[in-house]
Amino acid sequence: DAKTTQPNSMESNEEEPVHLPCNHSTISGTDYIHWYRQLPSQGPEYVIHGLTSNVNNRMASLAIAEDRKSSTLILHRATLRDAAVYYCILGWELAQKLVFGQGTRLTINP
Amino acid sequence: SAVISQKPSRDICQRGTSLTIQCQVDSQVTMMFWYRQQPGQSLTLIATANQGSEATYESGFVIDKFPISRPNLTFSTLTVSNMSPEDSSIYLCSVDGLAGSENIQYFGAGTRLSVL
Repeated sequence: DAKTTQPNSMESNEEEPVHLPCNHSTISGTDYIHWYRQLPSQGPEYVIHGLTSNVNNRMASLAIAEDRKSSTLILHRATLRDAAVYYCILGWELAQKLVFGQGTRLTINP
Repeated sequence: SAVISQKPSRDICQRGTSLTIQCQVDSQVTMMFWYRQQPGQSLTLIATANQGSEATYESGFVIDKFPISRPNLTFSTLTVSNMSPEDSSIYLCSVDGLAGSENIQYFGAGTRLSVL
């Protein structure tokens, strides 16, 4: 499985944008970039995924570098509820096992 | 989306005993997975639960220790056998292949297991 590298932790303030980086220099041409997050005492939840183009949904935006060796998850206006561990995962698009790295622990300050 | 119910939500067990964890989904799904999350760690996949056949285990996990059943498309169980304190973890069930959300994996809230 292709490997991802994320900062161990990040901190931001409420109502400010947050940019969570992920490096994946060994990504293959068929690997999708998936983001999940795990809120305290809960199972992970899907955030967003993409292949080449930038993606937007109601939760976040995903910006993918042109060479696809890195990506950034963007939370446009962080709330306290966004405090979680964010995982960047490479894999197929459909019906796959997920290989979790250590993720980035995001702290939001009021 | 899918609603996933895991039972029990938590348990405290004695070493040498076994615990069976249930995972119920409110829709038929293609894939069901079992993960382990050790204290302060990330998630590690234990196995893929296949309907009508034996589960597919990841490296480091064996059927004798973690037997899995999947009798239908909405239900699976994971048994943690002959437990030791090292088995104290959160065990999570997830599903994939939900119609209309084939590229999203949904997780249960997990079963928090403590072994004394």
